[in-house]
Order: sequence, then C-alpha cells, then structure tokens
Amino acid sequence: QLQLQESGPGLVKPSETLALTCIVSGGSISSYSFYWGWIRQPPGKGLEWIGSVHYSGSTYYTPSLKSRVTISADTSKNQLSLKLYSVTAADTALYFCAREDSSYYDNAFDIWGQGTVVTVSS
Amino acid sequence: QSALTQPASVSGSPGQSITISCTGTSSDVGGYNYVSWYQQHPGKAPKFMIYDVNKRPSGVSTRFSGSKSGNTASLTISGLQAEDEADYYCCSYVHGGTLVFGGGTKLTVL
Repeated sequence: QLQLQESGPGLVKPSETLALTCIVSGGSISSYSFYWGWIRQPPGKGLEWIGSVHYSGSTYYTPSLKSRVTISADTSKNQLSLKLYSVTAADTALYFCAREDSSYYDNAFDIWGQGTVVTVSS
Repeated sequence: QSALTQPASVSGSPGQSITISCTGTSSDVGGYNYVSWYQQHPGKAPKFMIYDVNKRPSGVSTRFSGSKSGNTASLTISGLQAEDEADYYCCSYVHGGTLVFGGGTKLTVL
C-alpha cells in the first residue's frame, strides 16, 4: 500500500525559504508512469496546485509560483522535496504531496499524503 | 491561470440528487478530457472521486458521476447521503502542461 508522508518545519519566517519533504513508502518513486505533485490549501480556502515532478527530473509549475519554487525527486531516498523561496504570510497553508499515475489516471491525483501545516510568521 | 469557477455552496436532502458545476475555458476544461474531482472532509486529505471527466476509480460509489459540456464540467451525486457532506473540488489539465483546481464547493446535506 503506497503511502505518502509530508514533513518539514511548521513555522517559517517571512523572506526565508520553506522546505518540505514527502517520504514515499510501499512503492518506488522511480516509475515511468508516476508524477508527484505538491498542492497547498490556505486556511479556510481551496486547493492550489503548486507543481509536479517526474523521477527523471521533469518538472511543471503553476505560473504564479514558478519564479519562487523548486520541486525535485531524490530516487536514492525515495522522497520528494518542495522549496518555496522568499515566503510571505500568503504562503501559510496546509501542504500536500500526491501521486499522479499516468498509466491509469492522467493528470489526476489518486493517492494523497495527510498534509503538513506551514505558518509564515516572524 | 485562473482557478476554475465552482459555486460556493450547494445543498440537498437525503435521497435527492445534486450537481456541482466547474467552469473553465477552452484552454482547460473545454479543451481536454482531463477533469478530475475530489471530495474533502474537514481536516482530511482530498479523496479521488472522478477522472477523465466521467470515470470512477475503483471503490468509488456509482452514485457519483461526472460529465462535461463545452467549458463546464459537472459532478452529480445521486441518492444523497449524510456522509456526502463535504467540500468538492474539480481539477483540470491546462494547455501547456499545468493543472488548475476549482475554488471548491461546500455540499450540505439537509
């Protein structure tokens, strides 16, 4: 049973870098058909796709965050990472990682982690 | 890219059917059959409900169905049950390789 678990500092100061990890267990991230996405949800608001990564290194980002975000995959550790630079209070959110299995569900997230809360505050 | 447009809230009584709309543009919803839907209960991760506009993943109740007309996709829940009360989000592929979610719809079962 594939499971995803996000982790990272719950509190980040404004202008600093938010860095999160998503550990994947019960399966390998190195499958040609899998993409791995990051999605966030500000308090009381809706979901926002941040971007996705393939284990080969291919990445896709939402235009509004593209200049401030890096998503990568570490096949040796079977984990994904998200870095969001120069954060502001608007980046306060619940951050999820999720899997896209393009062999069955193109452009859809079938497995999600439980999410990790990040607050941006001094 | 702008978020897809969903009604903020819908409601229905047990046993009834409701439909949630998701409106985009010809660059996303209208241009591709890659619309998915997610159910989210408070404090929980989203649950995958519909993909490719109208396909159900294994294990999802047949009471949930999806459709699309032009730039608007829809999620219909028939035989409404108390446990269907949740937030629902649509998501679409966007020309150029990105994804966009809708603003979400709160379903209340009266």
